[in-house]
Amino acid sequence: GNSVTQMEGPVTLSEEAFLTINCTYTATGYPSLFWYVQYPGEGLQLLLKATKADDKGSNKGFEATYRKETTSFHLEKGSVQVSDSAVYFCALISDSNYQLIWGAGTKLIIKP
Amino acid sequence: IAGITQAPTSQILAAGRRMTLRCTQDMRHNAMYWYRQDLGLGLRLIHYSNTAGTTGKGEVPDGYSVSRANTDDFPLTLASAVPSQTSVYFCASSAGRGTEAFFGQGTRLTVV
Repeated sequence: GNSVTQMEGPVTLSEEAFLTINCTYTATGYPSLFWYVQYPGEGLQLLLKATKADDKGSNKGFEATYRKETTSFHLEKGSVQVSDSAVYFCALISDSNYQLIWGAGTKLIIKP
Repeated sequence: IAGITQAPTSQILAAGRRMTLRCTQDMRHNAMYWYRQDLGLGLRLIHYSNTAGTTGKGEVPDGYSVSRANTDDFPLTLASAVPSQTSVYFCASSAGRGTEAFFGQGTRLTVV
């Protein structure tokens, strides 16, 4: 079946550090891939997405590239800020149904 | 634009009581979902609906029921609440296959 695996947290970085949160997936066909962010006390918001191989999603300085050869969708940001502290979820939707498959979430803590 | 509205925002409920969590969307999305989130991580799918008039069971359906009488509303009912149902509940919707989900702000439920 379809699945998403992302790195365990918490990830703790200093402000202006480089961020990578790994995400790999297992899926049949050609899924769409997503990163969602959840700030403390809030619901989930779509951060970025990619719908086909080699697509790069980007938003708010975050980027992720859909790598079909390595079945990965790693989230990166060149210089993190304290305001980026949140929980980040990697997810996929199969192209054959409506079902969102979620990673376990990675808590990111940025220290000033 | 309201998006997805959940009610109530929070609730303390006595064990054994019946409770309905409300979810309404104004985006005319076909698919709707109910998730629970424990310990600030890890979304688990309770029930889903691919279109009005149909529902399906997710990963953790026991103790919960849903209905989808129309496109906009997708209520979640706890027939007889138990303490293990203490959680944050999120409703979400998506337009169709391969499209991202939009989330409500959540309902924090405490069963005592």
